[in-house]
Amino acid sequence: NAGVMQNPRHLVRRRGQEARLRCSPMKGHSHVYWYRQLPEEGLKFMVYLQKENIIDESGMPKERFSAEFPKEGPSILRIQQVVRGDSAAYFCASSPGTKWNEQFFGPGTRLTVL
Amino acid sequence: QKEVEQNSGPLSVPEGAIASLNCTYSDRVSQSFFWYRQYSGKSPELIMSIYSNGDKEDGRFTAQLNKASQYVSLLIRDSQPSDSATYLCAVKGVTGGGNKLTFGTGTQLKVEL
Repeated sequence: NAGVMQNPRHLVRRRGQEARLRCSPMKGHSHVYWYRQLPEEGLKFMVYLQKENIIDESGMPKERFSAEFPKEGPSILRIQQVVRGDSAAYFCASSPGTKWNEQFFGPGTRLTVL
Repeated sequence: QKEVEQNSGPLSVPEGAIASLNCTYSDRVSQSFFWYRQYSGKSPELIMSIYSNGDKEDGRFTAQLNKASQYVSLLIRDSQPSDSATYLCAVKGVTGGGNKLTFGTGTQLKVEL
């Protein structure tokens, strides 16, 4: 399966804990994007990364959220000290880095904060 | 004004009819436009991309782009019950590396038997 992979698919955390969401892009893709979808709301851009570089983090909350895409391994979206308002579906997408850069989405991680 | 606007619906069409979904965007310099389909509880699935004014056809789907009017639409011919989903319009910006997608809130399509 050459699609975008995300894990875990479901994650439950208590308030104050840390959440780590992982994303492996499609084979051959070097660009990774994270989006968040709150209940009954649209998809919102969070961050755009290439290997070892954050290209655009204009959608990331200023505190508690961070993202990385190391040279080896998956991209990780990290949420520290989670609050109930962080409960959402977090989607990762990847693109090949060609001119038009169509983005393909993974299955998402549903985060529930108790 | 929202950056990408869609009618939330639901849009109900009978099976076999043409479904027409519309989207307007505010950033005049946008160059790339996409339609995604999202079933309830699932992730967005790319169904069409369009970059030039005019029509682009792929099977039962036709995307139409009018940059002067800042308008993009999706036509679904011979609609099937399996087309019932939320359709998301997405526009790629030019700032911040030029790869950020801005989504509309989606139009819910219901194809009725």
